[in-house]
Amino acid sequence: QKEVEQDPGPLSVPEGAIVSLNCTYSNSAFQYFMWYRQYSRKGPELLMYTYSSGNKEDGRFTAQVDKSSKYISLFIRDSQPSDSATYLCAMSLPSYQKVTFGIGTKLQVIP
Amino acid sequence: EAQVTQNPRYLITVTGKKLTVTCSQNMNHEYMSWYRQDPGLGLRQIYYSMNVEVTDKGDVPEGYKVSRKEKRNFPLILESPSPNQTSLYFCASRSKLSSYNEQFFGPGTRLTVL
Repeated sequence: QKEVEQDPGPLSVPEGAIVSLNCTYSNSAFQYFMWYRQYSRKGPELLMYTYSSGNKEDGRFTAQVDKSSKYISLFIRDSQPSDSATYLCAMSLPSYQKVTFGIGTKLQVIP
Repeated sequence: EAQVTQNPRYLITVTGKKLTVTCSQNMNHEYMSWYRQDPGLGLRQIYYSMNVEVTDKGDVPEGYKVSRKEKRNFPLILESPSPNQTSLYFCASRSKLSSYNEQFFGPGTRLTVL
């Protein structure tokens, strides 16, 4: 079993839809949870991060962490064609160099 | 502009021909890493460095070497490349002051080994 599981998609939605992206993980010691966005032929860039459990909102994006279920989510409201990218979840132990990534979910928002 | 640069961006080579992929960052970050990204496997860490002259293996270090002689540079060396090292490679850096492990990635190097 992989430490981090993520559905690779692809996921196609119409413009304006609410998108839900998810990851599950097996290591209960993970404390930091991140979402990276990767456009085609580019490196990943940090989109959102959360520490431990709870929600965090930033504009159209909301990140949720449920440590009891070992489940994290990223919600995108009013999705735009510019949101078309691959979204990678990532998580790490506290004060530790190693970050474990999901394989990424490819999202396409159709105008 | 704060950035991580990699060179070359694209490389086609043959089995056994030594190559080096350079990585440089201008953010004065202490930590640097190399990842490879493969379909269905995601990003996997090859090597990382916590400071000058301090390096350690990641999840998939076989067939790779690194060095960290200067803080800004972290080259990846393939002494004898093989076809299974065909992949997309990313260099990343982060500040030791970052409490949530935010990493800044370079643009990637697409390597094909024939």
